[in-house]
Amino acid sequence: DTAVSQTPKYLVTQMGNDKSIKCEQNLGHDTMYWYKQDSKKFLKIMFSYNNKELIINETVPNRFSPKSPDKAHLNLHINSLELGDSAVYFCASSQAGGGGYNEQFFGPGTRLTVL
Amino acid sequence: AQTVTQSQPEMSVQEAETVTLSCTYDTSESNYYLFWYKQPPSRQMILVIRQEAYKQQNATENRFSVNFQKAAKSFSLKISDSQLGDTAMYFCAFMKPGSARQLTFGSGTQLTVLP
Repeated sequence: DTAVSQTPKYLVTQMGNDKSIKCEQNLGHDTMYWYKQDSKKFLKIMFSYNNKELIINETVPNRFSPKSPDKAHLNLHINSLELGDSAVYFCASSQAGGGGYNEQFFGPGTRLTVL
Repeated sequence: AQTVTQSQPEMSVQEAETVTLSCTYDTSESNYYLFWYKQPPSRQMILVIRQEAYKQQNATENRFSVNFQKAAKSFSLKISDSQLGDTAMYFCAFMKPGSARQLTFGSGTQLTVLP
């Protein structure tokens, strides 16, 4: 069983379109994340979310919005896609709490190409 | 804000030999976690090793070990008996405990193991 899954794995779309990437985890975790990996392989946090709070990296444009229908899902919606949004997007999850460390488990990534 | 620096964009090593990847970081926190992640061509992010800042003992996982120098804010990864399957991009990462638990990544080091 896949612990953290993302769909689709590849997404090719035109500039200006609106698209969504889905993420599901079956680990029973209560915190989920979205990271963006650009063309130079640099990874940067976009959001972290649990049922209590959403923490947004200040550099993320408001065209990006996470939506969580339930604890096991955190989908990424992107409006008015731009060329610069082309990247690989990773979902991750972890168990919060305890004040210490809980490993983040990553999904396989979604490669988004904006034409 | 935390920053993580990996000054070696690319490295290579002969199979069965030892290689060390460098990482430095900057933070004003006293308690935090450091990680090395591996990203092979499959794109999957795999946790290699982690270190808690409050532990003086360097972490070890089989052929992987770290040299953690807290005062110098240095966290290098040593891979012993390198194998072809170790060929990957390696990312150093920092995490501050707290509700967000977001990972801050370095720019990565592409390691190639040569036969």
